Amino acid sequence: NAGVMQNPRHLVRRRGQEARLRCSPMKGHSHVYWYRQLPEEGLKFMVYLQKENIIDESGMPKERFSAEFPKEGPSILRIQQVVRGDSAAYFCASSPTVTAYEQYFGPGTRLTVT
Amino acid sequence: QQPVQSPQAVILREGEDAVINCSSSKALYSVHWYRQKHGEAPIFLMILLKGGEQKGHDKISASFNEKKQQSSLYLTASQLSYSGTYFCGTSYSGGGADGLTFGKGTHLIIQP
Repeated sequence: NAGVMQNPRHLVRRRGQEARLRCSPMKGHSHVYWYRQLPEEGLKFMVYLQKENIIDESGMPKERFSAEFPKEGPSILRIQQVVRGDSAAYFCASSPTVTAYEQYFGPGTRLTVT
Repeated sequence: QQPVQSPQAVILREGEDAVINCSSSKALYSVHWYRQKHGEAPIFLMILLKGGEQKGHDKISASFNEKKQQSSLYLTASQLSYSGTYFCGTSYSGGGADGLTFGKGTHLIIQP
């Protein structure tokens, strides 16, 4: 039973470049959540998506950040024109249905902006 | 609003017990507990729903006090593998599928 998969695991970008983070939910899961974790801090909710729909993006910065979960393929978190403050671990979680509640996390993508 | 976890850190000897608390100033619908080891993904431990029962498996259990909007995680006869940072994640929506608001975490160190 494959868990939540994220790639790449580590990503290095220079300031001004774009970062694309991918998340494949567990089999049978249709709900995806993205969280950001800064060093020595807790997880901060960014966005909640279902297939082809953004349900809640209240935690997403207004500029440069976007997310999608297409009908086919993984969910993508896209960060344009990265800055040093974007350096963090980005975790994706998935849950099976709206009534199941449990969120299972992937291994994360560690983004470093140089 | 971010839930408040206490204590911030605990150091125990193997076999001792620990209690970690999570308090909210806002009415909770559910509380989710996770353990995270350094550089790894958070691992789901359990979820407690409003109106639900106390949960537990093996030597880890948790309770949810709706009057106080507080949850407690109980670790009994701790093992070395219990070391890590424990986070509570809270949900305020009855829909159940909203993003979680996490506390700052409790660092637990188990010494042999």
